[in-house]
Amino acid sequence: DAGVIQSPRHEVTEMGQEVTLRCKPISGHDYLFWYRQTMMRGLELLIYFNNNVPIDDSGMPEDRFSAKMPNASFSTLKIQPSEPRDSAVYFCASSSLGLAETGSDTQYFGPGTRLTVL
Amino acid sequence: AQSVTQPDIHITVSEGASLELRCNYSYGATPYLFWYVQSPGQGLQLLLKYFSGDTLVQGIKGFEAEFKRSQSSFNLRKPSVHWSDAAEYFCAVGHLQGAQKLVFGQGTRLTINP
Repeated sequence: DAGVIQSPRHEVTEMGQEVTLRCKPISGHDYLFWYRQTMMRGLELLIYFNNNVPIDDSGMPEDRFSAKMPNASFSTLKIQPSEPRDSAVYFCASSSLGLAETGSDTQYFGPGTRLTVL
Repeated sequence: AQSVTQPDIHITVSEGASLELRCNYSYGATPYLFWYVQSPGQGLQLLLKYFSGDTLVQGIKGFEAEFKRSQSSFNLRKPSVHWSDAAEYFCAVGHLQGAQKLVFGQGTRLTINP
């Protein structure tokens, strides 16, 4: 398997522009997670989906952030309008429902998208 | 609420020396504990995890960790580090059944001296 795929790997944009980050989870995984990593706040869970349905979006910082999962193989995280404080590395991760003993519920992370908002 | 503390922001060790990275957690029930490693410009890779049973768990790349409930700790160890171990290490805690929500520590950056 190719693992979790994220695009783009790097994004530079100007304040006020719309930014869309993309994620393709591992085939067969039914959980998808979006995280944000910054120096100040570390790794934070923004939102996660189960079977394409958002389960917990309590980590989404503001209404400027939205996430969708239209099907089992694709998710987007959108920021509109973007601000300099949104600059961070955004990670997508996926896992499957399973018992801890089988290891099947381990979260697998993508390489991340480094976002810079000028 | 769950929380994870990694007291050491940055650690430097010499190649071949032993390593211990500290992790303390706060969780009201039986924790589900992880160590992940992040190399520069890369995503996070799972090193090992603990969910029950033997409190000493073995992971990839020669790492091990020991769960100590009395100390609320899950320290990561390696007997002899290699230059390729230079990376950032994250401890995380999640729910026992299904790790849907992981809470991560701030990370420890490991530098290896030749």
